[in-house]
Amino acid sequence: AQSVTQLDSQVPVFEEAPVELRCNYSSSVSVYLFWYVQYPNQGLQLLLKYLSGSTLVKGINGFEAEFNKSQTSFHLRKPSVHISDTAEYFCAVSDWGTQGGSEKLVFGKGTKLTVNP
Amino acid sequence: DAGVTQSPTHLIKTRGQQVTLRCSPKSGHDTVSWYQQALGQGPQFIFQYYEEEERQRGNFPDRFSGHQFPNYSSELNVNALLLGDSALYLCASGASETYGYTFGSGTRLTVV
Repeated sequence: AQSVTQLDSQVPVFEEAPVELRCNYSSSVSVYLFWYVQYPNQGLQLLLKYLSGSTLVKGINGFEAEFNKSQTSFHLRKPSVHISDTAEYFCAVSDWGTQGGSEKLVFGKGTKLTVNP
Repeated sequence: DAGVTQSPTHLIKTRGQQVTLRCSPKSGHDTVSWYQQALGQGPQFIFQYYEEEERQRGNFPDRFSGHQFPNYSSELNVNALLLGDSALYLCASGASETYGYTFGSGTRLTVV
């Protein structure tokens, strides 16, 4: 069975500082990896996804993530955060393709990023 | 282009009652999945509908049921509500040949 571990439940940083949100996964098959952001009282917005190819994935809002198969990790990074990045971030995994279409997502418990002035 | 639309946005129900939540997928999407997000937790997969049939199901009791209509919209029904069913219910739509879901803003269900 797949699982996702987000190693930090809360990450406080100062504005313009770099940030890394950590995500490790476990799966017995090839996986596809996603990062979603959730602002208060809203749904989930896709930040970026890894399906294949380059292990460095660039997403929206200046975020990027690196897929490391040997360490089963998919950490999210941003070189300089803004107050508006304050939100909850979820890492998710899917074993896409075994049924020829969309597969379920398995989510981590989330990391709450708080950007302070 | 409208994204995923969910209704209602909020509702309050009494323990033991039944509730129906609705979802209209993004234009061009044919797959609808439902997730339950309890407070402070990540979303948990409930089930997925494709071609009007339940294709996958997560670890949820039979009190949770659903339906997909020919226009790809979907309903989530929960019977015999428990206090523990209080959560944000998220609908996500996707296309069978692409990768990635679009999520709606959710329905906040409170059971009292």
